[in-house]
Amino acid sequence: KAGVTQTPRYLIKTRGQQVTLSCSPISGHRSVSWYQQTPGQGLQFLFEYFSETQRNKGNFPGRFSGRQFSNSRSEMNVSTLELGDSALYLCASSPGSGNQPQHFGDGTRLSIL
Amino acid sequence: SQQGEEDPQALSIQEGENATMNCSYKTSINNLQWYRQNSGRGLVHLILIRSNEREKHSGRLRVTLDTSKKSSSLLITASRAADTASYFCATDGSNYQLIWGAGTKLIIKP
Repeated sequence: KAGVTQTPRYLIKTRGQQVTLSCSPISGHRSVSWYQQTPGQGLQFLFEYFSETQRNKGNFPGRFSGRQFSNSRSEMNVSTLELGDSALYLCASSPGSGNQPQHFGDGTRLSIL
Repeated sequence: SQQGEEDPQALSIQEGENATMNCSYKTSINNLQWYRQNSGRGLVHLILIRSNEREKHSGRLRVTLDTSKKSSSLLITASRAADTASYFCATDGSNYQLIWGAGTKLIIKP
């Protein structure tokens, strides 16, 4: 089985731009969670989708949004980028509940100049 | 929000020695998970222990759970250079969300 695939792996943007990150979960997995990881804040939960519905959202501003498609692939979007958005963005999938063991992609490293 | 607190924050040991990391949490749980993250990569699930279990083994890994103390430990025996990584604990929170600790950075010296 193919693992979780995140694209792109690296991205450089400037302040004020917007960005869309993509995540393809393991085949058959219906839950997709997104995390932001920074050296100072650790792993921060962004949101979780299950069957195209957002089930839970972390404490991030409205500039961070996401969606899930009928094939379980997910995208997250960040608008009006700020320097503080520089981070590793990780996607994880699981068959059902987000409390089950999660399978992570290798992330998208986003750098804001 | 961070529930799990790992300690130590960093640990450096010689190859072949055992490494022990601890995780404490605040609220009652159904299960606790441990993950490993190699530099620049995603996290890899290591082991899940349920609240009614006290100890679980997987290869060179041993996890214990003490729900009365709200703590768990991960023991890696006979460490290898490839074990160099950050280790995270995660507890099940409400609303299908895992709650993560800040991680322990483990360095195995050859």
